[in-house]
Amino acid sequence: EPEVTQTPSHQVTQMGQEVILRCVPISNHLYFYWYRQILGQKVEFLVSFYNNEISEKSEIFDDQFSVERPDGSNFTLKIRSTKLEDSAMYFCASRTRGRGEKLFFGSGTQLSVL
Amino acid sequence: GENVEQHPSTLSVQEGDSAVIKCTYSDSASNYFPWYKQELGKRPQLIIDIRSNVGEKKDQRIAVTLNKTAKHFSLHITETQPEDSAVYFCAAEDDYKLSFGAGTTVTVRA
Repeated sequence: EPEVTQTPSHQVTQMGQEVILRCVPISNHLYFYWYRQILGQKVEFLVSFYNNEISEKSEIFDDQFSVERPDGSNFTLKIRSTKLEDSAMYFCASRTRGRGEKLFFGSGTQLSVL
Repeated sequence: GENVEQHPSTLSVQEGDSAVIKCTYSDSASNYFPWYKQELGKRPQLIIDIRSNVGEKKDQRIAVTLNKTAKHFSLHITETQPEDSAVYFCAAEDDYKLSFGAGTTVTVRA
C-alpha cells in the first residue's frame, strides 16, 4: 500500500526557534492535512490544503503556523517561533478526494520544544 | 464544528470476549465515520469505516453500526486477541476534515 512519508521522525528545538516539518503525500492525492497529537490525547485537526491553498484551519493554527507545497511532491508545516506547548506528534495526512474517503496518515514527527 | 464524544476511555477485556466502543457526534450533516487503531508510537491506521447510507458494516471480527437518527455509531470487536490491544479512535467527517474522539485504550488480557 502507498504511504505518506514524513521527515524528520524526531525534532528537538529551543523555544522561539523556527521548525519546518516535511511530508511527501501519496502521489495521486489532492487533499492534504496536518494534525497533531499531544501525548495521551486525541488527534487534533490543524489545517487542510487543496489546490495550493488552505481550505480550512483550526483555532490552533494561528499566525505562527504556515503551510506550503513548494513543489509537486512536498508539503511542509512551518512553526515560526516555537512554544513549549507546541510539543506534540505532528501527523501529515492525504487523500484523493476531500470527503468520504480513507485518510492516509504519515508516521509522524515528534516535536520537542525545550 | 463537529464534536465527537467517545466512551469508554479505557476498556479491559478477557481474550476471546467482545469489546464495544461507542461514539456520538453533533453535526447531522456528517456522513462518513471511520475508526482508527493506533499502537504506541505509531500512526493511526484505518480499520473500518461506514458511510451514512449504510447501517452496519462487517470485516471479519470487526463491525461498525451507525444510527443517524440518534447520531451515534459503535465499533464491535469479537473474539478479541492480544494484538487487538491498542488505542481506538472514532471520527466523523465535518466538511472536508475528520474530527476525532478522545480515544479508547483497549487492553486484552490473556
